[in-house]
Amino acid sequence: QVQLLQSGTEVKEPGASVKVSCKASGYRSTSYGISWVRQAPGQGLEWMGWITVYNGKTNYAQKFQGRVTMTTDTSTSTAYMDLRSLRSDDTAVYYCAGDSGGYVWAFDLWGQGTMVTVSS
Amino acid sequence: QSALTQPASVSGSPGQSITISCTGTSSDVGSYNLVSWYQHYPGKAPKLIIYEGTKRPSGVSDRFSGSKSGNTASLTISGLQAEDEADYSCCSYAGSSTFVVFGGGTKLTVL
Repeated sequence: QVQLLQSGTEVKEPGASVKVSCKASGYRSTSYGISWVRQAPGQGLEWMGWITVYNGKTNYAQKFQGRVTMTTDTSTSTAYMDLRSLRSDDTAVYYCAGDSGGYVWAFDLWGQGTMVTVSS
Repeated sequence: QSALTQPASVSGSPGQSITISCTGTSSDVGSYNLVSWYQHYPGKAPKLIIYEGTKRPSGVSDRFSGSKSGNTASLTISGLQAEDEADYSCCSYAGSSTFVVFGGGTKLTVL
């Protein structure tokens, strides 16, 4: 059974960076992708980008290009999302999401979410 | 402002059916049969309930169904139950430039 386990709550000041991790367990190979999705308070879900684990290829939503970096460590099956130059409107729950196989651009696997608060 | 447009809220009584719309454009919903729907409760991660527009993952109740017409996708929940009270979000593939867009979410209230 594939599971995604994220790192814990973060509190950052404006202008700082945050790095959220997402450890995958149960995948039989590295042929999968991880998306990052966030939800700000009272707002809808927002896709930030995607990384293919086996080759590290990334695709970022235009809104986040230049401010986000997604990486993976295949030795620990962990994906990372690094968001820089944080602003108050980056306050949100950040999720990693993937699929267990057989889904095309649909996410049946979700991490538990990481709350990131940006405040001075 | 979300890329896909959903009503902010819908409501229905137990046993009734409700439909949630998700309106996109010819660049996303209208071009691909890759609309998915998610159910999420406050403080919990979203749960996939519909993929590829009309398909249900194993274990999802057949009271949930999806459809599409033109640039609008829809989620129908029949035989409403109290446990269906949650937020529902649609999502669509939008091509190799934008990739994925979500709707703003719809809060379902079971009266």
